[in-house]
Amino acid sequence: DQQVKQNSPSLSVQEGRISILNCDYTNSMFDYFLWYKKYPAEGPTFLISISSIKDKNEDGRFTVFLNKSAKHLSLHIVPSQPGDSAVYFCAASEVRVDRGSTLGRLYFGRGTQLTVWP
Amino acid sequence: DAGVIQSPRHEVTEMGQEVTLRCKPISGHDYLFWYRQTMMRGLELLIYFNNNVPIDDSGMPEDRFSAKMPNASFSTLKIQPSEPRDSAVYFCASSSGGGARHNEQFFGPGTRLTVL
Repeated sequence: DQQVKQNSPSLSVQEGRISILNCDYTNSMFDYFLWYKKYPAEGPTFLISISSIKDKNEDGRFTVFLNKSAKHLSLHIVPSQPGDSAVYFCAASEVRVDRGSTLGRLYFGRGTQLTVWP
Repeated sequence: DAGVIQSPRHEVTEMGQEVTLRCKPISGHDYLFWYRQTMMRGLELLIYFNNNVPIDDSGMPEDRFSAKMPNASFSTLKIQPSEPRDSAVYFCASSSGGGARHNEQFFGPGTRLTVL
């Protein structure tokens, strides 16, 4: 059962415009959320994150918004560039102590393929 | 640092054969993760280690899958016997516990496995 859902498998946006990628989750215990970007033939790379105590985190062209009541987060890319074309994964983490270790295990969505065209 | 290193990058094998995937985590990282990516299920965690000890293997699909981490710089994921439905991209990732970004994991380039 998918605890993190990305319901749009693909998104196409013109260069210079805003890209909005959406993510929903079901587990209210998630307390940390991340976005990863993946290019073909490469592993996912970390992009931006947000703690559950915040509702917005911004890093340059990338902003993540969190709506805890709706269990929804989104990634905004402004302005979009052709180099942003990639698969974007939403991930969520719950902190738990396991055998003395504190770790947030990540649960990933299936990803959204973003294509930014000139 | 070279990042997380995985080998081989591509593996084609026949059903019933043993497959071994290898991973070298980033030096100093004390967590290592094995993921599998498929179209149907996306990225799913198979198993993770902390300080070379397996912590959670609940994602391992069945007994045909096994993973080891004999030391801090090496891990293997073995499938024996392999089946066509095991075809996927397998990623290894590592991270360092603690700190504000302790959940950030660094992924290797993946091994694309095809079982015929």
